[in-house]
Amino acid sequence: SQQGEEDPQALSIQEGENATMNCSYKTSINNLQWYRQNSGRGLVHLILIRSNEREKHSGRLRVTLDTSKKSSSLLITASRAADTASYFCATDRWGAQKLVFGQGTRLTINP
Amino acid sequence: DVKVTQSSRYLVKRTGEKVFLECVQDMDHENMFWYRQDPGLGLRLIYFSYDVKMKEKGDIPEGYSVSREKKERFSLILESASTNQTSMYLCASSLRTGSPQRIYGYTFGSGTRLTVV
Repeated sequence: SQQGEEDPQALSIQEGENATMNCSYKTSINNLQWYRQNSGRGLVHLILIRSNEREKHSGRLRVTLDTSKKSSSLLITASRAADTASYFCATDRWGAQKLVFGQGTRLTINP
Repeated sequence: DVKVTQSSRYLVKRTGEKVFLECVQDMDHENMFWYRQDPGLGLRLIYFSYDVKMKEKGDIPEGYSVSREKKERFSLILESASTNQTSMYLCASSLRTGSPQRIYGYTFGSGTRLTVV
């Protein structure tokens, strides 16, 4: 069962611009996580935000969570060519011990 | 550097063969997972294990089985491979989630791209 739905499916921007990706989900969650996947490789954990948190920062990444709207956003500031990848949100419910992933946003940074 | 290692990067098997995909982690993680990834469908959970010899079905367990005889190793078995099992297979591990303060991200392997012909 799909939980997270990312929007947009694909995003293409110029290097140096900011990139914003959104994630919506359907049921109550314990936490929400964002992952990056470079082409043909495994996923890399970027950031985790708990259900009682509203915003978190990690370097050039900023994540927000709005549990009333069941949505999250990932902002990458001052994008670089190396940020080109697919980005996935994932959620779990308390006690479930497992993440459910969305279908991802394909981000392309043009030099 | 901690990691999850999947035994094969690319694999080609024939229809009807029994296929073993191996995954080993060196982080002493309790939880281990097998996902498959297909274009347009994202990542779908096949099986997961939260302890040695324990297993739970995910969303798409049909045609698959798993084995976890040791904490560090989680094997995915395709009993009789079929062409619709051609996919990217991703193994992941994590510490067991405890209190609300103890929530952890997953560490993924590099994936095995399986082609069944």
